[in-house]
Amino acid sequence: DVVMTQSPLSLPVTLGQPASISCRSSQSLVYSDGNTYLNWFQQRPGQSPRRLIYKVSNRDSGVPDRFSGSGSGTDFTLKISRVEAEDVGVYYCMQATHWPSWTFGQGTKVEIK
Amino acid sequence: EVQLVESGGGLVQPGGSLRLSCAASGFTFSSYSMNWVRQAPGKGLEWVSYISSSSSTIYYADSVKGRFTISRDNAENSLYLQMNDLRAEDTAVYYCVRLYGDPKDIDYWGQGTLVTVSS
Repeated sequence: DVVMTQSPLSLPVTLGQPASISCRSSQSLVYSDGNTYLNWFQQRPGQSPRRLIYKVSNRDSGVPDRFSGSGSGTDFTLKISRVEAEDVGVYYCMQATHWPSWTFGQGTKVEIK
Repeated sequence: EVQLVESGGGLVQPGGSLRLSCAASGFTFSSYSMNWVRQAPGKGLEWVSYISSSSSTIYYADSVKGRFTISRDNAENSLYLQMNDLRAEDTAVYYCVRLYGDPKDIDYWGQGTLVTVSS
């Protein structure tokens, strides 16, 4: 299975300041069609995961533009340009390239300092 | 609006059985493959099982193979997970998850149902 490794696992951030989460995969996530199927999910306390970013850098409908995704191959990053109180939660990266074994990162807990 | 509503969770003894259901609405259920994904308390996300739109292709994670059975009823817009020989390590919130495209990618999640395996 492809192992997804996130860092940091805990991220205290000051309101209005930027935040960055790294995700690395043990194998390339480039699919046979040339696309890279790396997603980012947000899980707010007590809620189910919600997809924010798909195929590395595409924001889902309704996702604020302060969220952005980047990367290629095996190294990926989720950035929040200015953290707001509603961004508190756990963020997971996930790969779908190597289905049918979808794998997730360990999660990064974002909290307000 | 896509909605996935799980039910059937609860407390069960080790070795027992439970059947989870997921009611889908807001999209053409019969056109989409589906997954079950679980999350142990305070832990990360783990893929459990996959079923294609027509039920012709099914996959399981090694951790549940031989004990869990995924199925669906497209006429009833429902997804199921029959869980037998339950173990303490199966304790988790189980999510019904929609897939799309090629490769099969995840978009929508249900709210989850909690399964607790304990004596």
